[in-house]
Amino acid sequence: DTAVSQTPKYLVTQMGNDKSIKCEQNLGHDTMYWYKQDSKKFLKIMFSYNNKELIINETVPNRFSPKSPDKAHLNLHINSLELGDSAVYFCASSQVGTSGKFYNEQFFGPGTRLTVL
Amino acid sequence: QKEVEQNSGPLSVPEGAIASLNCTYSDRGSQSFFWYRQYSGKSPELIMSIYSNGDKEDGRFTAQLNKASQYVSLLIRDSQPSDSATYLCAVTLVGKGDMRFGAGTRLTVKP
Repeated sequence: DTAVSQTPKYLVTQMGNDKSIKCEQNLGHDTMYWYKQDSKKFLKIMFSYNNKELIINETVPNRFSPKSPDKAHLNLHINSLELGDSAVYFCASSQVGTSGKFYNEQFFGPGTRLTVL
Repeated sequence: QKEVEQNSGPLSVPEGAIASLNCTYSDRGSQSFFWYRQYSGKSPELIMSIYSNGDKEDGRFTAQLNKASQYVSLLIRDSQPSDSATYLCAVTLVGKGDMRFGAGTRLTVKP
């Protein structure tokens, strides 16, 4: 009964390739996120999706694109992979709601370690 | 100035002692505050959330928030070797869903 799951857990690929990472949550949350954790362990938000609408888009290269087929899934597509894309990518979800108060406890998936050779 | 700042550590305490972890944030509009624990090679795990000034206790953990000083802390009482991990401070702004993380403090509890 994994709350937030990601596949694959490890991804090794060559520069220039295109790859995808999948994320699913079974918590019934309305918002999902993608984070990148670099070699220095700094965790930085990349995207979030709420009701199929992109509400945060940090200054990430447009080679990265989130795609959400439904509220429970947010996949990350990466085109033309570069060496600097090597990192651990975490998916997360939260229930943001419409009350105007964003308590926003986020729950993370297990991560995908991407290695670009 | 970084949005969320933490001492990177490592912070080392003996087993049974109190571990004190500190965090400051730059945006006065910050509304929600969180502490995550991350074991090596694992994902961040939420351990505490706090939204109003004062203390919030949950078992051996106490979160403290002082919005006037833009300061949030985490106390771990009776520290155990299993508490050895990196602790991440995170904040969000009211009306916004994005969460900003500090760089984390690495805690080691020595038996």
